[in-house]
Amino acid sequence: NAGVTQTPKFRILKIGQSMTLQCTQDMNHNYMYWYRQDPGMGLKLIYYSVGAGITDKGEVPNGYNVSRSTTEDFPLRLELAAPSQTSVYFCASSYVAPGRETQYFGPGTRLLVL
Amino acid sequence: AQTVTQSQPEMSVQEAETVTLSCTYDTSESDYYLFWYKQPPSRQMILVIRQEAYKQQNATENRFSVNFQKAAKSFSLKISDSQLGDAAMYFCAYRSPTDSWGKLQFGAGTQVVVTP
Repeated sequence: NAGVTQTPKFRILKIGQSMTLQCTQDMNHNYMYWYRQDPGMGLKLIYYSVGAGITDKGEVPNGYNVSRSTTEDFPLRLELAAPSQTSVYFCASSYVAPGRETQYFGPGTRLLVL
Repeated sequence: AQTVTQSQPEMSVQEAETVTLSCTYDTSESDYYLFWYKQPPSRQMILVIRQEAYKQQNATENRFSVNFQKAAKSFSLKISDSQLGDAAMYFCAYRSPTDSWGKLQFGAGTQVVVTP
């Protein structure tokens, strides 16, 4: 199993550009999450999904959109990038069942908006 | 909403010694899940240990153990026989059982520095 994979690893965007951060998991997890981590801070939840076609906002959703058309993939879309979106983005997945609630994280995507 | 507090921005430990990281949380729930995640320079988030609040026994994973004090709402992580590879940022996280979405609430993290 590859676990959770994310692409790209690093990207520089200009203000106003758009991009999609890719996330794929091969563990057949039904739950997937997107977090952002600002320098020196903990992780904050952007969006999450409980299965194909079902998504909801987390703590900091503004400026982002998601879709979930398959169990495996959960892309994060940035529209009109702003410097405040400079961060490291982590995708995670899990089951949500007693004893199986651990989240598995991808390696992260570092985004710099200039 | 629950809050998770890690009051130590950085802790330094010598190789082979022991270091304890503190974590406190605020909740009105009686059952919940607590986690410690490790984030090395590679930035990958790696699960270190998990604890279920209804279990009184402290969780242990090799050199990592927790001191779970439910009444005090404290969940400290002890790293024994510290190794250079333990150098990383460590995050404490809380998960409510009533949250059917499985969302985690993270603390701000503690940077562990291991010196030879």
